[in-house]
Amino acid sequence: DAKTTQPTSMDCAEGRAANLPCNHSTISGNEYVYWYRQIHSQGPQYIIHGLKNNETNEMASLIITEDRKSSTLILPHATLRDTAVYYCIVRVADTGGFKTIFGAGTRPFVKA
Amino acid sequence: NAGVTQTPKFRILKIGQSMTLQCTQDMNHNYMYWYRQDPGMGLKLIYYSVGAGITDKGEVPNGYNVSRSTTEDFPLRLELAAPSQTSVYFCASSPPSGTPERETQYFGPGTRLLVL
Repeated sequence: DAKTTQPTSMDCAEGRAANLPCNHSTISGNEYVYWYRQIHSQGPQYIIHGLKNNETNEMASLIITEDRKSSTLILPHATLRDTAVYYCIVRVADTGGFKTIFGAGTRPFVKA
Repeated sequence: NAGVTQTPKFRILKIGQSMTLQCTQDMNHNYMYWYRQDPGMGLKLIYYSVGAGITDKGEVPNGYNVSRSTTEDFPLRLELAAPSQTSVYFCASSPPSGTPERETQYFGPGTRLLVL
């Protein structure tokens, strides 16, 4: 599986969009990009995934570059409730997730 | 659906004691997983199961055992607790369908284990 690189932390303004980057330069053609978040002391929660098209759901938007070497998770209106660790993962689909690697992730600091 | 449930929520063990962490899911998921998470670190896969009667080792299986007698339950056994096993343990499951959603893992609330 492709390795991902994320900043350890980043500052975000409350009420503004938070853009969380992820680099996956070794991604292969059949690997999807998945995002999870983990609020303190809770289990990780699935947010969104995509292959090459941009995706949006009620929680966030996922923008994948045309070459698929990087992506950005967008939280449209960051609030203090979005304080969590965000994990970017690339996986070949339909292989059961048993080799999913959750790294250190990104912790956005939402400031009023 | 209750999703993925774990018991107990918190436990203190003495070195050398044993215990079983329980995990149950009611979503009819084939795949189930056990992870551990040390403070400030990411999750590490301990064991996983692709269905009843089938289990396999993950990244950090030493000191643990699992069984999968039913689709719903996936208990994790610690035989001789050691301080290095102090951690938060998460159980997860993922759907059986042959789509990208299979990679969507649903996590339980975790069990906090302290070994003294």
